[in-house]
Amino acid sequence: AQKVTQAQTEISVVEKEDVTLDCVYETRDTTYYLFWYKQPPSGELVFLIRRNSFDEQNEISGRYSWNFQKSTSSFNFTITASQVVDSAVYFCALSESSTGANSKLTFGKGITLSVRP
Amino acid sequence: KAGVTQTPRYLIKTRGQQVTLSCSPISGHRSVSWYQQTPGQGLQFLFEYFSETQRNKGNFPGRFSGRQFSNSRSEMNVSTLELGDSALYLCASSLAPANEQYFGPGTRLTVT
Repeated sequence: AQKVTQAQTEISVVEKEDVTLDCVYETRDTTYYLFWYKQPPSGELVFLIRRNSFDEQNEISGRYSWNFQKSTSSFNFTITASQVVDSAVYFCALSESSTGANSKLTFGKGITLSVRP
Repeated sequence: KAGVTQTPRYLIKTRGQQVTLSCSPISGHRSVSWYQQTPGQGLQFLFEYFSETQRNKGNFPGRFSGRQFSNSRSEMNVSTLELGDSALYLCASSLAPANEQYFGPGTRLTVT
């Protein structure tokens, strides 16, 4: 069965610090997708990134970067020079696709990030 | 392009009643999924619809049902409401299954 573990529950940093959010996943499928979503206080989940299991290249988008390592089943997310607006709950999610295209997302419990000015 | 819209945004119901929630996906998106979010269980998958067909169903009782219309709009229904059904119900749409999903603002259901 698929599972996503976000061991960190709450992280508090001071503005401009770098912060890494950890995500470890479990799946028996060889084809799967990994996602990160952000949920600000307004409640709406905001899509950040999707990676497939065959693409282990790290990705950078502005202050955000993602490190995907199949060897350790991890898909970590780093925010560089954090800002107060980054304060939110961050979810890592997994969908399996070996049996066909599948939208079912399995989410981790989320990490509450607080960035203090 | 307009995002995913959900109506109503807030709802208060009494135990035993039933409720219907509505979701309009992003224009052009044909896949719609529903999730329940509670403090205790987190985000849990309810169903997935594509081309008016339910392709996937989460581990929820039969009181939870849904459907998708030809214009890709979707509804979910919960019958015989229980206190534990109080949650934020999120709808997400994508171009097709397995693509990135874009979420609506959710419907906050309170059962008293």
